[in-house]
Amino acid sequence: GAVVSQHPSWVICKSGTSVKIECRSLDFQATTMFWYRQFPKQSLMLMATSNEGSKATYEQGVEKDKFLINHASLTLSTLTVTSAHPEDSSFYICSAPFQGGGSDTQYFGPGTRLTVL
Amino acid sequence: GQQVMQIPQYQHVQEGEDFTTYCNSSTTLSNIQWYKQRPGGHPVFLIQLVKSGEVKKQKRLTFQFGEAKKNSSLHITATQTTDVGTYFCAGPGYLDTGRRALTFGSGTRLQVQP
Repeated sequence: GAVVSQHPSWVICKSGTSVKIECRSLDFQATTMFWYRQFPKQSLMLMATSNEGSKATYEQGVEKDKFLINHASLTLSTLTVTSAHPEDSSFYICSAPFQGGGSDTQYFGPGTRLTVL
Repeated sequence: GQQVMQIPQYQHVQEGEDFTTYCNSSTTLSNIQWYKQRPGGHPVFLIQLVKSGEVKKQKRLTFQFGEAKKNSSLHITATQTTDVGTYFCAGPGYLDTGRRALTFGSGTRLQVQP
């Protein structure tokens, strides 16, 4: 089946630094990818929609200047957490819709665990 | 906005016992999906239900979609330790752009005692 990869799988950084997370669709094209954030023992919350060829769409309460999203190609979206702080520590997961599995179903990447010291 | 709630939040069962999680949406859904997330892992798609009153089975798992398409349930018969994880229901939500993301339920964390 289709696969979505994420890199890195985990990262530890100092407060104030920026971290880039990559999301790739490995054997299918994705004009849209979604970025979710999950805090411990909580559900997944949609942060933004990454759109190939246009600006990302951010959910209410998500700072677009802090979470920079770039959909560079039909198989790659990146999320950059700028000037990271400890409260940004979370599990970041991307997903991409796939065809053939029913409408709206999505493949999820393995996630990136970010720890900001 | 759309809200999707699940109960219970957590359930601890003995291996071999049955387990059920319930999902309720504040709005009518065109379809509902179920995902399983193992501890430390990412959500994995289990199934999608589309029709009102639909029932689907996957081995020991039975999924139901309510007649009003606002609620759903997942029932596991004779749980095994491999069933451990958090089960999420999710419904599609239209964003302003017309693109569809998923609104996830709050999840039910299942622990199975051997």
